[in-house]
Amino acid sequence: DAKTTQPPSMDCAEGRAANLPCNHSTISGNEYVYWYRQIHSQGPQYIIHGLKNNETNEMASLIITEDRKSSTLILPHATLRDTAVYYCIVRVLWGSQGNLIFGKGTKLSVKP
Amino acid sequence: EAQVTQNPRYLITVTGKKLTVTCSQNMNHEYMSWYRQDPGLGLRQIYYSMNVEVTDKGDVPEGYKVSRKEKRNFPLILESPSPNQTSLYFCASGTRTSGRSHEQYFGPGTRLTVT
Repeated sequence: DAKTTQPPSMDCAEGRAANLPCNHSTISGNEYVYWYRQIHSQGPQYIIHGLKNNETNEMASLIITEDRKSSTLILPHATLRDTAVYYCIVRVLWGSQGNLIFGKGTKLSVKP
Repeated sequence: EAQVTQNPRYLITVTGKKLTVTCSQNMNHEYMSWYRQDPGLGLRQIYYSMNVEVTDKGDVPEGYKVSRKEKRNFPLILESPSPNQTSLYFCASGTRTSGRSHEQYFGPGTRLTVT
């Protein structure tokens, strides 16, 4: 699975958009970009995934650059409840172990 | 409600006393997995199961056992716990055979302390 690089921490004002970057310059053609988050020692929660195209769901948007070497997760109107560690994970859909390799992630703090 | 449940949520035990952490999912997922989370080390996979009666080691299996006799349950067994197994444990499940095959669902976690 490709390695990812994320900033260790970010701040965002409540109600503003939170833009979380992720670099994955060694991504392979069959690898997806996934985002999960973990709110204070709770179980990780799936947010969104994408392969090439930009994606949007009820939680967030995912923007993937044309060369697929980086991506940005966008929380359009961050709330205090979005304070969490956000993990960018690059992997094939189902590898040999099916596991998700969580790095250190980005600790997002949403402030009033 | 689709969910993964774990019990107990908190457990303090002593070295060598066998314990089982249960995990159950109600989504008919064929894939289940256990992770442990430690400060500075992130989440690491302990064991996984691709289907009933099919289990395999993850990245850190030493000191743990699992079984998968039913599709919904995947218990984690520590036959002789040691202090280095003090950790936060998560169970996860997923499916490879439906439209939601990209998502994995995690339980709420079990915080284990071994003294």
